[in-house]
Amino acid sequence: EDKVVQSPLSLVVHEGDTVTLNCSYEVTNFRSLLWYKQEKKAPTFLFMLTSSGIEKKSGRLSSILDKKELFSILNITATQTGDSAVYLCAGNAGNNRKLIWGLGTSLGVNP
Amino acid sequence: GAVVSQHPSWVICKSGTSVKIECRSLDFQATTMFWYRQFPKQSLMLMATSNEGSKATYEQGVEKDKFLINHASLTLSTLTVTSAHPEDSSFYICSARDSGGRHGYTFGSGTRLTVV
Repeated sequence: EDKVVQSPLSLVVHEGDTVTLNCSYEVTNFRSLLWYKQEKKAPTFLFMLTSSGIEKKSGRLSSILDKKELFSILNITATQTGDSAVYLCAGNAGNNRKLIWGLGTSLGVNP
Repeated sequence: GAVVSQHPSWVICKSGTSVKIECRSLDFQATTMFWYRQFPKQSLMLMATSNEGSKATYEQGVEKDKFLINHASLTLSTLTVTSAHPEDSSFYICSARDSGGRHGYTFGSGTRLTVV
């Protein structure tokens, strides 16, 4: 059965800290892994990773995929209170491109 | 970037009535639209996948006669919750995939449905 597991489920850090969020996956016909940030409404797209070992960066956020070990990490450096959100990881499976979602990591950043 | 417009943002309706939620892709063609529901503090639960011009594929446990999905064009998909009950109260989100695959999956802003 396809599954995506994220860890930790929840964490709280101080502003300025660096955090690493983990996502492991078992997805049939894996095509890509996606990261989203969800605050109060719908998820906002962060990254789509298809190739192993190539880091994608956007400001203080970066992510990398390891297709051999079947995991991805999302790094956030110099965290800010605005980074507080749930970060969702999803694997893209099969021909109909259905996403398999993890439960998310709830990140709280305290000032 | 790719934008999906979803409305209404929130709706309150009486038990037994039907509610229609619309999702439009504004600047790209969405050959596939995904409909999710999300309960508080839980992850997204895929309800169904709709492809333009064909019947939607529903996930196990989702009643297709209750949650009617129509994807009549490349830019519009609708979800109708028929004969709504309080247990249908949830956050419903659509997500479209750009047929060109350039934008990944773009989400609508979601619809908060409350059935009283």
